[in-house]
Amino acid sequence: AQTVTQSQPEMSVQEAETVTLSCTYDTSENNYYLFWYKQPPSRQMILVIRQEAYKQQNATENRFSVNFQKAAKSFSLKISDSQLGDTAMYFCAFMPISNFGNEKLTFGTGTRLTIIP
Amino acid sequence: DGGITQSPKYLFRKEGQNVTLSCEQNLNHDAMYWYRQDPGQGLRLIYYSQIVNDFQKGDIAEGYSVSREKKESFPLTVTSAQKNPTAFYLCASGPLLRTTDTQYFGPGTRLTVL
Repeated sequence: AQTVTQSQPEMSVQEAETVTLSCTYDTSENNYYLFWYKQPPSRQMILVIRQEAYKQQNATENRFSVNFQKAAKSFSLKISDSQLGDTAMYFCAFMPISNFGNEKLTFGTGTRLTIIP
Repeated sequence: DGGITQSPKYLFRKEGQNVTLSCEQNLNHDAMYWYRQDPGQGLRLIYYSQIVNDFQKGDIAEGYSVSREKKESFPLTVTSAQKNPTAFYLCASGPLLRTTDTQYFGPGTRLTVL
């Protein structure tokens, strides 16, 4: 069984600053995906970024990037030039890779991020 | 527009009643999922289905039932056997392509037991 841990229940940062959200996971799988999802006050879950464990290169999506350390089982999210619209709950999630595809997601408990004007 | 719809947005249930939450997608995704979200606990998987007429229990299936008669639809029934059903319920779907395994979420249904 997999577990995902987000050790920062809440964080806040000034607008335009950079913030890093932490995530660690535990698994015996060698091939898997890792995700960061964002849940704003509307409660819609929005995919932020996705990382394949077999890729050494860290994923980036505009202002969002990850620091993936496979040996340490660490997957942090960096938000650069933070904006007010980044205020949300952020969830880290794990998915094993199977022959069938698109297995279940295991989520962390989330980090509530507040961007201060 | 392509997407995932859930209805109703808010649902109130009296104790002892069964209720059904709707989830529809027009993304041509094979896989569909139901998650439950409680404060401070993240999302937990209730049921999932990767093909029509087949589904699997997730981590917290007790007190819930599902059906998958059509590729586009994956309704969730919360039965009276579910001890604490008040929660936010999220439906998700995704393709079975392995190279792009990702799940996309609907807007959710807030269920309150009166």
